[in-house]
Amino acid sequence: SQTIHQWPATLVQPVGSPLSLECTVEGTSNPNLYWYRQAAGRGLQLLFYSVGIGQISSEVPQNLSASRPQDRQFILSSKKLLLSDSGFYLCAWSAGQGREKLFFGSGTQLSVL
Amino acid sequence: GQSLEQPSEVTAVEGAIVQINCTYQTSGFYGLSWYQQHDGGAPTFLSYNALDGLEETGRFSSFLSRSDSYGYLLLQELQMKDSASYFCAVDTLQGGKLIFGQGTELSVKP
Repeated sequence: SQTIHQWPATLVQPVGSPLSLECTVEGTSNPNLYWYRQAAGRGLQLLFYSVGIGQISSEVPQNLSASRPQDRQFILSSKKLLLSDSGFYLCAWSAGQGREKLFFGSGTQLSVL
Repeated sequence: GQSLEQPSEVTAVEGAIVQINCTYQTSGFYGLSWYQQHDGGAPTFLSYNALDGLEETGRFSSFLSRSDSYGYLLLQELQMKDSASYFCAVDTLQGGKLIFGQGTELSVKP
């Protein structure tokens, strides 16, 4: 069966520090991968999505970047965090042509202080 | 621009029926999904409609009208555990982009 792992669960970082969040998927190949951010009490904002290794689409201009070095690995990074980067970050995957059904990781609660 | 509109909150009593509406305006449309998210948790998939009509899955049903750019999620025989946020999402067929609404917080009272 397919599983998605996302870590860490919580993270507290000072302003200006770097960030690296990792997400891996098991049990499937060539998944579509996504990074979403959710502010408290708000909807999910799509940050990045990838349909293959090295293929990254960015949805909003921001202080973040994403990379997909392997088929089932998706990394969210920042060189210098801003206060506004705080939020709940969710990684998700879907089957190649099954975008209607996303499977989400357990999320990372990031607090930038 | 692209937008999805759904009510911010709904309250209902245990055993009742509740309908959560979603209207969308997107540059492309392939299908409408619904997700449930409990506090502090990850969203989980509930249903998907690509064609007009009603899809039923146990106590939950989802409806889509493509001509009206409108859909809804119907929850029957409400239980306390149904208290959560519910999100509609549109698959825009644009290279994998799935756009979410702002969510509806459902509170089920005894």
